[in-house]
Amino acid sequence: AQKVTQAQTEISVVEKEDVTLDCVYETRDTTYYLFWYKQPPSGELVFLIRRNSFDEQNEISGRYSWNFQKSTSSFNFTITASQVVDSAVYFCALSTMNTGFQKLVFGTGTRLLVSP
Amino acid sequence: EPEVTQTPSHQVTQMGQEVILRCVPISNHLYFYWYRQILGQKVEFLVSFYNNEISEKSEIFDDQFSVERPDGSNFTLKIRSTKLEDSAMYFCASTGLAGVGDTQYFGPGTRLTVL
Repeated sequence: AQKVTQAQTEISVVEKEDVTLDCVYETRDTTYYLFWYKQPPSGELVFLIRRNSFDEQNEISGRYSWNFQKSTSSFNFTITASQVVDSAVYFCALSTMNTGFQKLVFGTGTRLLVSP
Repeated sequence: EPEVTQTPSHQVTQMGQEVILRCVPISNHLYFYWYRQILGQKVEFLVSFYNNEISEKSEIFDDQFSVERPDGSNFTLKIRSTKLEDSAMYFCASTGLAGVGDTQYFGPGTRLTVL
């Protein structure tokens, strides 16, 4: 079975602080994809990043960076110099070959509150 | 930039009534999905659809639910007899090539309230 755990329910930071959101996944498949989505207060789900299981290279996009470690089954997300606009719920998700990549399994999300 | 659209944004209905939620996926996408999110909870997969057939469904997707692609652009989710516990945000998503773990792009959601 596939599972995604986001142990941090809510994180509060002050603007300009760095923050890391944790994601731990479980799957027996060797081929899988990991995703991060952002859900701002307006409610939509915004795609942030997709990473396949064969690519452990870390990625940086502006203030965002992702650390993928297969050894610990983790795919953590760091926001550098956080801003108020980063306030949202962030979801980590997994899709696997076992289900033909037909569905995303989501974690429970981490609510990030960035105060000025 | 192409995007998934959903209508209505908010639907209020009485328990036992039928509702149809509508989605227009990204035009060249081939795989379509419905997910739901009960308020404050995680996003849950309902069903995936490809080539005019359901390709996978979750245990949530029981006989009360059905999906259809009535024409070349719309993708609908029907709930035949709504229950209070169907109140949730329903998201439609689409992707081009699910077989390679392609990114699913989500619509803005329809908030369904069952009274």
